[in-house]
Amino acid sequence: DIQMTQSPSSLSASVGDRVTITCRASQSISTYLNWYQQKPGKAPKSLIYAASRLQSGVPSRFTGSGAETDFTLTISSLQPEDFATYYCQQSFSTPYTFGQGTKVEI
Amino acid sequence: EVQLVESGGGLVKPGESLTLSCAASGFTFSGAWMSWVRQAPGKGLEWVGRIRSKIDGATTDYAAPVKDRFSISRDDSKNTLYLQINSLKPEDTAVYYCATMRFGPTGLYFDSWGQGALVTVSS
Repeated sequence: DIQMTQSPSSLSASVGDRVTITCRASQSISTYLNWYQQKPGKAPKSLIYAASRLQSGVPSRFTGSGAETDFTLTISSLQPEDFATYYCQQSFSTPYTFGQGTKVEI
Repeated sequence: EVQLVESGGGLVKPGESLTLSCAASGFTFSGAWMSWVRQAPGKGLEWVGRIRSKIDGATTDYAAPVKDRFSISRDDSKNTLYLQINSLKPEDTAVYYCATMRFGPTGLYFDSWGQGALVTVSS
């Protein structure tokens, strides 16, 4: 199975900050990497697919980058509604695996 | 608008069986690949399994920890996805989400998600 490791596990930030979350795959996955946002008590929401493609309706302050084993999710200017937990997920092979999550809090 | 509504969750005893349903609307369900993803309390997301569309064979794939006890099926005439769980264990306690799978330039991703159904396994 491909293991996905996110860092940090949590971070504290303020509105307007630039935030970067890292996701590392245990083997090369090309750009078969997706990102999700989950708020407490809610279902996850798709943010970015294929490493850098923004899901329809997602604000442009979210960007994804990377390939092979190293990926990043960047929020250029953190907004109040962005405080949530973010997960990366590989779609290179089954079983699809997720990172452990990064909680972005104040 | 895509809607996915899970039902069938609840409190069950270890060793019992349970079937979750996911009623779909707002898209062509028969052509969709679907997945179940679960989340134990306070934990991260875990993919459980998927089912392809009928035209792609309606075949299934499962995560190793569940493949002997979980079964995914679909009824395209009812636009409904199912997850049957046998021999429930306490570690199956989780919120179970159904999700549509969409093909991107590189692989599939989970596009739309239901609100989730809580399954609690306890004696």
